[in-house]
Amino acid sequence: DQQVKQNSPSLSVQEGRISILNCDYTNSMFDYFLWYKKYPAEGPTFLISISSIKDKNEDGRFTVFLNKSAKHLSLHIVPSQPGDSAVYFCAASGITGGGNKLTFGTGTQLKVEL
Amino acid sequence: SQTIHQWPATLVQPVGSPLSLECTVEGTSNPNLYWYRQAAGRGLQLLFYSVGIGQISSEVPQNLSASRPQDRQFILSSKKLLLSDSGFYLCAWSGDGYQPQHFGDGTRLSIL
Repeated sequence: DQQVKQNSPSLSVQEGRISILNCDYTNSMFDYFLWYKKYPAEGPTFLISISSIKDKNEDGRFTVFLNKSAKHLSLHIVPSQPGDSAVYFCAASGITGGGNKLTFGTGTQLKVEL
Repeated sequence: SQTIHQWPATLVQPVGSPLSLECTVEGTSNPNLYWYRQAAGRGLQLLFYSVGIGQISSEVPQNLSASRPQDRQFILSSKKLLLSDSGFYLCAWSGDGYQPQHFGDGTRLSIL
């Protein structure tokens, strides 16, 4: 049962344009959402997060939008740069007494072309 | 600042051999610690997490075990490796509450 889904395995965008990565979740108990960026043979790097009390969070070129009614979140990267080419994972958490366990999507490979 | 170290970076082991992967965190105390596995073309699957010394929770039944002998040390072990244990193993730490997890650089484990 895939509780966090990234339905686009890959995305190609031109440098300078907007990249939009999408993520859907099914568990209504999730209340904290994160995006990670991963290069080959490295661990994921935290990018940005959002709690369920917000619908938007912005950090520089990165903005995350949360639509709770649709159980959907998206990551916008503007403007896209070649160094943004990586795999992007969304993750979700429902805080329990057992630590902040994350459920990850399967990732979207972003390629930013010159 | 906090750092997380994971070693070795790559490991090739024969089927049936034992395994020990180590992860240490610096610059923080009483972190939550996690072991994940990423199989080829898949997302990250949580294997174990720990909220304190000696406290281990297992998320999926498997051939692996975890231990936390010290506050900032997390070890992933197996007595006898299977071919299906191949993958990319990642250690992570976080604070309590709504805090992101921070990952090490991972160990690429190949079973022959």
